Amino acid sequence: GENVEQHPSTLSVQEGDSAVIKCTYSDSASNYFPWYKQELGKRPQLIIDIRSNVGEKKDQRIAVTLNKTAKHFSLHITETQPEDSAVYFCAVPLGGFKTIFGAGTRLFVKA
Amino acid sequence: DVKVTQSSRYLVKRTGEKVFLECVQDMDHENMFWYRQDPGLGLRLIYFSYDVKMKEKGDIPEGYSVSREKKERFSLILESASTNQTSMYLCASSKGQGRETQYFGPGTRLLVL
Repeated sequence: GENVEQHPSTLSVQEGDSAVIKCTYSDSASNYFPWYKQELGKRPQLIIDIRSNVGEKKDQRIAVTLNKTAKHFSLHITETQPEDSAVYFCAVPLGGFKTIFGAGTRLFVKA
Repeated sequence: DVKVTQSSRYLVKRTGEKVFLECVQDMDHENMFWYRQDPGLGLRLIYFSYDVKMKEKGDIPEGYSVSREKKERFSLILESASTNQTSMYLCASSKGQGRETQYFGPGTRLLVL
C-alpha cells in the first residue's frame, strides 16, 4: 500500500538555527504536498504546501522543497523561534479523497 | 475562515458504552474525515465521507461507524467502547475532488475506562 515516512521523529535546535524535516512517499501520482503544524493542545493547521509543478516554495521563514524523481519533500524552517516548537506532519493526499500523514516530528526550539 | 467544531473536547466513558462524537463544518465542504491520533502513529483515517449519506472505510474502521445525514455534519459512533479506543479523535473537512487542504477540528480526547 501507499506509505509516507517522516524523519526525524524528534528534533531539538537552538533558537536561531535552522530545522529540516523530510518525508518520503511511494505514490507516483501524488501532485500536492502539504505540511501541517500542531501546537500543544491545538488542532493541526496547514502552514505551507507545494504542488508538483514547482520545486520550491517559500513563505517568510518556512520553505518546502520537492524532488518528484526521488519522491521526497522537505520542510525547512530558518531562524527558528520558540513559537516554532510544535509537532509537524507531512501529508500526501492520494486519489479517492484519502490522505496519508507522516508520523510527525516533534520540534523543540531551545531559547 | 473555515471553522470546524467538535461536540466535546474531553469525554470519559465506560467500557461497553455507546459513544457519539459529532463534527460540524461551516464552509460547505463536500468531504469530511475522522482520524484518531496516537503518539508515534500520526493521524490514522477511520472513515471519510465525500457526500451526504456516503461513507467509506479508512485504514482502521473496526469498532467504529459513521453517519452523514447533512452536508455540514459528520458523526463518529463507537458502538461499544473499549479501552483500546482511548485516543484523540480529530475531525477534518476539505472541498473538491480530493488532493486538497484539510481543515481540522479542535479534537476530542476520549478516555474509556
